Amino acid sequence: GAGVSQSPSNKVTEKGKDVELRCDPISGHTALYWYRQRLGQGLEFLIYFQGNSAPDKSGLPSDRFSAERTGESVSTLTIQRTQQEDSAVYLCASSFAGRGETQYFGPGTRLLVL
Amino acid sequence: KQEVTQIPAALSVPEGENLVLNCSFTDSAIYNLQWFRQDPGKGLTSLLLIQSSQREQTSGRLNASLDKSSGRSTLYIAASQPGDSATYLCAVRGDSNYQLIWGAGTKLIIKP
Repeated sequence: GAGVSQSPSNKVTEKGKDVELRCDPISGHTALYWYRQRLGQGLEFLIYFQGNSAPDKSGLPSDRFSAERTGESVSTLTIQRTQQEDSAVYLCASSFAGRGETQYFGPGTRLLVL
Repeated sequence: KQEVTQIPAALSVPEGENLVLNCSFTDSAIYNLQWFRQDPGKGLTSLLLIQSSQREQTSGRLNASLDKSSGRSTLYIAASQPGDSATYLCAVRGDSNYQLIWGAGTKLIIKP
């Protein structure tokens, strides 16, 4: 596709349920990032994938959060036993390899935990 | 620990005015700084990226400056238009890693 896509665009779930968010990066981009943005706040880094290297999971807020990526393609972010404080917009970005490269963002998934 | 602050949090100006958005950061050891635009439901769009060795970058009506030693960047928007209404975010990347540290953004409204 032409850009980064994410699905679903919106997700409403009940507290305690598991949710899975999907990100399709731009073809050829080896780096993929997940961020969380709470209402009125900046982005919080969650996890970074670079090619086949071990991901940097240092931003994941708890062990309820996990993410996977197969090669240089789709990534899924899973939140288990959701809590109300997990409500946020989850943004995915991809870029070519290298720290200096611009990140291209998807439209985000708006998650609401009731 | 790097902290990024954006002032003001919100700004409303009449169409046609020139304006400046501010971004400050606490640790001057940065690799680069980026300005993004965020539109509701559309994700973020990168506007300008300034490498640590650069002083400014320009794109159309936008000009971003960087003063690394003082920990400041400004985004200058010339001849503002209603279509410029959005939230503007700045983010810095540190020298030692690839993580972006983000400001909370400035919500800009341009009144016709």
